[in-house]
Amino acid sequence: GDSVTQMEGPVTLSEEAFLTINCTYTATGYPSLFWYVQYPGEGLQLLLKATKADDKGSNKGFEATYRKETTSFHLEKGSVQVSDSAVYFCALYAGGTSYGKLTFGQGTILTVHP
Amino acid sequence: DTAVSQTPKYLVTQMGNDKSIKCEQNLGHDTMYWYKQDSKKFLKIMFSYNNKELIINETVPNRFSPKSPDKAHLNLHINSLELGDSAVYFCASSPQVGGPYEQYFGPGTRLTVT
Repeated sequence: GDSVTQMEGPVTLSEEAFLTINCTYTATGYPSLFWYVQYPGEGLQLLLKATKADDKGSNKGFEATYRKETTSFHLEKGSVQVSDSAVYFCALYAGGTSYGKLTFGQGTILTVHP
Repeated sequence: DTAVSQTPKYLVTQMGNDKSIKCEQNLGHDTMYWYKQDSKKFLKIMFSYNNKELIINETVPNRFSPKSPDKAHLNLHINSLELGDSAVYFCASSPQVGGPYEQYFGPGTRLTVT
C-alpha cells in the first residue's frame, strides 16, 4: 500500500540555521505530495504541495521538489526562525479511488532556539 | 470566523462511557474527514463523507460511528470507550473529493480515557 517515511525527529536547530527534513514515499501511480505544519495546540495547515514530478512547491521560505526518480519530497528552508518550531508532516494523495484520502508520514518535531 | 471548528476541545471520560465530538465547517466544502492522531503524533484517516455520503471507512472498530446531518457537519460518536481511544481527533474538510485539494483542519479534540 501507499506509505510515507520521514526522517526521525526531533530536530533541534539554532535560529538562522539551514533546515532539511527528509521525506520519501511509496505509491503506485503518480501521487500528489504535500507538506503540512502543526503549530503547538493547533490543527494542521497546508505548507506547500506539488502535483507532478519536478514540480517545486514553496511557501514562507520553505521549498520542496517532487523527485520521482528518488521518490522523495524533502523540505528545506535556508534560515529558520523560532516561529518555525512546529511538527512537520509529509503526506501523499494517491489519486484514483483514494477519495481525497491523505497518507501521512510520522511527523518530525522541529525546535528552533534563539 | 473559524473555518473548521470542533467541540469540545478537551474530553476526559471513563472507560465504558459513550461520547460524541462535533465538527462544523463554514467553507462550503463538500467533503469532510475524521483523523486520529496518537501520542507519537502519527495521523491516520478514519472516515470521510462527501455530501453526507460515507466514502472512506478505514479499519476502525464499529464502536466509532460517524454521522453527517448535512454537508457542513460531521460528528463522531464513540461507544464503550477504551483506554486505547485516548488520542487527538481532528476533523478536516476539502472543497471536493477526488483531487489533490488542500484539506483544512480543525483545532482538534483531545480525548483522554481513564
